[in-house]
Order: sequence, then C-alpha cells, then structure tokens
Amino acid sequence: AQSVTQLGSHVSVSEGALVLLRCNYSSSVPPYLFWYVQYPNQGLQLLLKYTTGATLVKGINGFEAEFKKSETSFHLTKPSAHMSDAAEYFCAVSATGGFKTIFGAGTRLFVKA
Amino acid sequence: NAGVTQTPKFQVLKTGQSMTLQCAQDMNHEYMSWYRQDPGMGLRLIHYSVGAGITDQGEVPNGYNVSRSTTEDFPLRLLSAAPSQTSVYFCASSATSGGADTQYFGPGTRLTVL
Repeated sequence: AQSVTQLGSHVSVSEGALVLLRCNYSSSVPPYLFWYVQYPNQGLQLLLKYTTGATLVKGINGFEAEFKKSETSFHLTKPSAHMSDAAEYFCAVSATGGFKTIFGAGTRLFVKA
Repeated sequence: NAGVTQTPKFQVLKTGQSMTLQCAQDMNHEYMSWYRQDPGMGLRLIHYSVGAGITDQGEVPNGYNVSRSTTEDFPLRLLSAAPSQTSVYFCASSATSGGADTQYFGPGTRLTVL
C-alpha cells in the first residue's frame, strides 16, 4: 500500500524567500513521485515528477524536488518566492504496474508582499 | 486540443436525486479517472478506467457508477445523491496506465447536495 504525508496544511513565506514544501511517502515498491499545483478554481497541473534516474528533478516556474530514498522524502523547493506562486500544492505517489495515484492532503502556499 | 473537459461546472441537487457528470478527453488517452476533492483530504480516487470497456473501483466508490464505452468519454453517475457527496469532482486522463505518466485534469464540477 502507498501513502503520502504533506507536513503543514498552510505555509506562508515572504516574496523573495525560500519556498520549502515537505512530502514524505510510503511505498513497498519503487515509487513514482509527483508534485501538482492547483490555482484557485482550476484543476491540477503537473509541476514536476520523478520516475527513474537523476534524483534532483527540475520543474516549471523554477521549482525543483529531490527524491531521497533513505528518508522517503520528496520535498519541493524554490529559491525565491513570487506572488504568483500562491496556490495549493499536492504531492502524489504511484508505482510500476499500479493503476492508482495517491495524493497528499495538500499544502496551501501564501506569499506575502 | 481541448484537453479534458467537464460539464457542468456547477450543480445543485436535492437528496435522492440522480445525475451524471460528464468528462471527455481528446488526447486519445488510455487511462481516465475520477477524483473528489474535499478540504483537508486532498484528492481521493473514486473510479478509474484503463481502456474502453474496462473500469475498476478506487478508494471511495460507494454511491457512484461509471462506464467507458469509448476512449474519449468517462461519465460519472450519482445514483441517489446524499449530502456527503457535496464536493468538487475532477476528471483526469493520462496516456497510459503505467503509473509514471502525467495526469491531465479537467476544470472540475462543484456539486452541492441539499
């Protein structure tokens, strides 16, 4: 069985500050890991994903995440927050041969001017 | 490409009524799924399909039916609406069901059951 835990339902940062959104997963098989972003009143869209290979993954809008197997983590970072980054972010896990993607509860990011 | 489309955008039902949420994709994707989004609970999988004629249950299937007669369409039926089904519903599709593919989401249907 797979599961995802996102630490912090709300995160607030100042514009220009580091963004760090935490995600820990549980999986009995090698996982595929995803970060999706949801802007108000919209569907989700992919930020980045890890499937195989390089453990540091770069995504859109300057975001990146690092797969750390030993820590079962896939934290999302961005060096400098922008007002347009304010949204809800979801970490998700699936696996080879699995037909189900499991989503975390989400973290809402607030960016202060 | 329109991507994934959903209708209606908003719906209000009375307890006991039935309705169908429509979902269509024009990307020839093999895999389609329905999620519900509730505050503090993220997205939970209701039903999914790995191809035309093949459907299966997700985490929270009770009270919902699906069918997939074509590659493009994947409607979700509420048999007898209950207030607990008040939620935002998202349809998604991906090229294959292998697990590594990106899912593309529709804009959602906001459903209120009174």
